[in-house]
Amino acid sequence: SAVISQKPSRDICQRGTSLTIQCQVDSQVTMMFWYRQQPGQSLTLIATANQGSEATYESGFVIDKFPISRPNLTFSTLTVSNMSPEDSSIYLCSTDGTVWDGYTFGSGTRLTVV
Amino acid sequence: DAKTTQPNSMESNEEEPVHLPCNHSTISGTDYIHWYRQLPSQGPEYVIHGLTSNVNNRMASLAIAEDRKSSTLILHRATLRDAAVYYCILRGWSGGGADGLTFGKGTHLIIQP
Repeated sequence: SAVISQKPSRDICQRGTSLTIQCQVDSQVTMMFWYRQQPGQSLTLIATANQGSEATYESGFVIDKFPISRPNLTFSTLTVSNMSPEDSSIYLCSTDGTVWDGYTFGSGTRLTVV
Repeated sequence: DAKTTQPNSMESNEEEPVHLPCNHSTISGTDYIHWYRQLPSQGPEYVIHGLTSNVNNRMASLAIAEDRKSSTLILHRATLRDAAVYYCILRGWSGGGADGLTFGKGTHLIIQP
């Protein structure tokens, strides 16, 4: 299965600023996904990123707030824009699996907005 | 997406088997049953998945009811490192583009030494 390198692992940011999170996969993958995990909660899907097309966002998430890039089959970024303390969460990327294996997740980015 | 129901938490002793249940009464014929776990301060980790037959791998076993409306993840000999939140997730497979996973609250597994 794929291996994902996600960075930064954590950051503390000022409100009103933006942070870009990067995920690098060690093999080519079709789909990449971005999730948010709020403190003490489960994971919520933000969007799906397919190379060569615009990302598809889940209800409650918009492109202006969470722009995503997917320039090739091994890389994706998520930007958290105009941050507020409510954006303090762990953000994770993931690749899809095949019929024979599961999805692979990055180790997450712990974001604190002050 | 079909919904799964898991107990909020379970407790077990080290070196004993653990059976983690999951109910998915609205499962469709093309839904695979996936299990993931999330250790503290880490991203989720794939454990096992199956469609109809019981499955074994180096991490665990998955027992699937004959009507597929429930399943059980079996850790044969729990260690302290198995303490994590375990998620049972249904994943449809249409053969086309994959969908993101829908996580429920999962089961918080506590292992006592």
